Amino acid sequence: SQQGEEDPQALSIQEGENATMNCSYKTSINNLQWYRQNSGRGLVHLILIRSNEREKHSGRLRVTLDTSKKSSSLLITASRAADTASYFCATAGGNDYKLSFGAGTTVTVRA
Amino acid sequence: NAGVTQTPKFQVLKTGQSMTLQCAQDMNHNSMYWYRQDPGMGLRLIYYSASEGTTDKGEVPNGYNVSRLNKREFSLRLESAAPSQTSVYFCASRSLAGANNEQFFGPGTRLTVL
Repeated sequence: SQQGEEDPQALSIQEGENATMNCSYKTSINNLQWYRQNSGRGLVHLILIRSNEREKHSGRLRVTLDTSKKSSSLLITASRAADTASYFCATAGGNDYKLSFGAGTTVTVRA
Repeated sequence: NAGVTQTPKFQVLKTGQSMTLQCAQDMNHNSMYWYRQDPGMGLRLIYYSASEGTTDKGEVPNGYNVSRLNKREFSLRLESAAPSQTSVYFCASRSLAGANNEQFFGPGTRLTVL
């Protein structure tokens, strides 16, 4: 079964606006990762946050992690048309750090 | 560096046919993974290889076999394809087993089983 669940399933925003998506998971984790998938392509790693971290930034990306609520959020600031993609959270747990993916949030950025 | 490469990109099979999906990485990574992605769903792990010489089942291993041929290559075999195996298959690799780091993905193989 899939560990992570993203919310919302789809998001449509205007260029320049911020996009926020959330991920909830069920069991304890070592880290949580966010990936982007452009249509018809493979997944690209965006950012990793460890279980002992609460917030992390990378360029226009901001990720938060609340292990007490078993949830994470990804914020993309000042969105661009090129940010149009599906975004997946993935949790890594246990000794082998296998990833368990959510179903993803599809983001459309309108020009 | 090419990263993670997969062949073929597209494949159409008839029910009962067999085929092998190939994956190779040139990043000297220890761990490799096979996932399938179905419409509206995230990736589900089929099999993985934490290090050369080891393979383990993931979430959905039934109907598949794998071979970790060497450190670079990890193949996925469908012995008798079924329509339920129509999917997009992704291979991924990671530098260290048991470490807090990310996976690198190939471009995918789109498989249709008629």
